[in-house]
Amino acid sequence: AQRVTQPEKLLSVFKGAPVELKCNYSYSGSPELFWYVQYSRQRLQLLLRHISRESIKGFTADLNKGETSFHLKKPFAQEEDSAMYYCALSVTGGFKTIFGAGTRLFVKA
Amino acid sequence: GAVVSQHPSWVICKSGTSVKIECRSLDFQATTMFWYRQFPKQSLMLMATSNEGSKATYEQGVEKDKFLINHASLTLSTLTVTSAHPEDSSFYICSASGGTSGSSYEQYFGPGTRLTVT
Repeated sequence: AQRVTQPEKLLSVFKGAPVELKCNYSYSGSPELFWYVQYSRQRLQLLLRHISRESIKGFTADLNKGETSFHLKKPFAQEEDSAMYYCALSVTGGFKTIFGAGTRLFVKA
Repeated sequence: GAVVSQHPSWVICKSGTSVKIECRSLDFQATTMFWYRQFPKQSLMLMATSNEGSKATYEQGVEKDKFLINHASLTLSTLTVTSAHPEDSSFYICSASGGTSGSSYEQYFGPGTRLTVT
């Protein structure tokens, strides 16, 4: 079964602290993984995708096929990072995306 | 680029009536559009996937006769909630993929439509 698991509903860190949002997936094929972010009162938007291997707003995510994980990391959290983060798995040639339950990140001053 | 709009952003209707929600890709041609439902403080639940000119593919448990989806053009998809009931009250979000705006796997999301059925 295809599944995306984000074990933490809420993650609260202090400004400047490292942050890691966990994501594990279950998929027998070759996964396409994404992190989407939803800031307060804004629409969902793509943060980064694993195939790009890029760093966006200081965030990085590495696909670990052995552990079937795609954790999102940032070494120094900022207050403006406070948002809802969704890990997503694209299957069937991109025609279906499965979202995790989401993790709300709260960065305290 | 890659902007998706939804209309209306908020609608209240009486139980038993039908409501149509529009999703438009403003600056690209969307080969595929997706409709999601989001309950308060919960994740997005995929309802259906539609390709232009084809019948929508509904996820298990989603009533196709209740949630009518039409994808008549590469820039417009509509979701009609028929005979709405209070339990249909939710936040409906569309997304679109395709075109030259980026990866065909990336989805561009609309702002969502909040439906309240009284």
